[in-house]
Amino acid sequence: AQTVTQSQPEMSVQEAETVTLSCTYDTSESDYYLFWYKQPPSRQMILVIRQEAYKQQNATENRFSVNFQKAAKSFSLKISDSQLGDAAMYFCAYGGETSGSRLTFGEGTQLTVNP
Amino acid sequence: NAGVTQTPKFQVLKTGQSMTLQCAQDMNHEYMSWYRQDPGMGLRLIHYSVGAGITDQGEVPNGYNVSRSTTEDFPLRLLSAAPSQTSVYFCASSYGVGTTNSPLHFGNGTRLTVT
Repeated sequence: AQTVTQSQPEMSVQEAETVTLSCTYDTSESDYYLFWYKQPPSRQMILVIRQEAYKQQNATENRFSVNFQKAAKSFSLKISDSQLGDAAMYFCAYGGETSGSRLTFGEGTQLTVNP
Repeated sequence: NAGVTQTPKFQVLKTGQSMTLQCAQDMNHEYMSWYRQDPGMGLRLIHYSVGAGITDQGEVPNGYNVSRSTTEDFPLRLLSAAPSQTSVYFCASSYGVGTTNSPLHFGNGTRLTVT
């Protein structure tokens, strides 16, 4: 079975600074997908970024980028130029190639952005 | 386009009562899932479905039943509510096999309290 671990229950960052959220996972599959989801206080689950394991290039979406280390099974999220609206719970998630809607989630990291 | 619609948004039950959480999607997604979210544990898969008439258990299925009579609907039934089922419940859907171009679409969640 796959597992996803987020070792930072809480993180804080100053507005306009950069923060990195950590995620490690364990799997025996060779093809899979990794995701970061954001959950603001509204409870809505918002996809931030996704990475295909077969792609060596790290995914980027505007101020969000990942550091995907397949051999180390590490998938960290970097948020640049942090904004107050980035404050939320962030979840790392794993999906196998045939997972469909079945993802394995980490415990979550609560990010606070200080003005 | 409504996406994934969950009802109700909030519910309070007494121990032993039964109820059904409703989930409907209008995107013609084959895959649908139910997750529960508890503090410090992320989202855990309860049940999932890969198409009408096909359901299977996830990580934490005990105390819950599902059925999938149509592509659109995937209700979650609590047979005899227990305080341990106090949680936030999310329904999610996606297209078929493979998640490269098929992000998970979440409903807005149901906060359930069992007293």
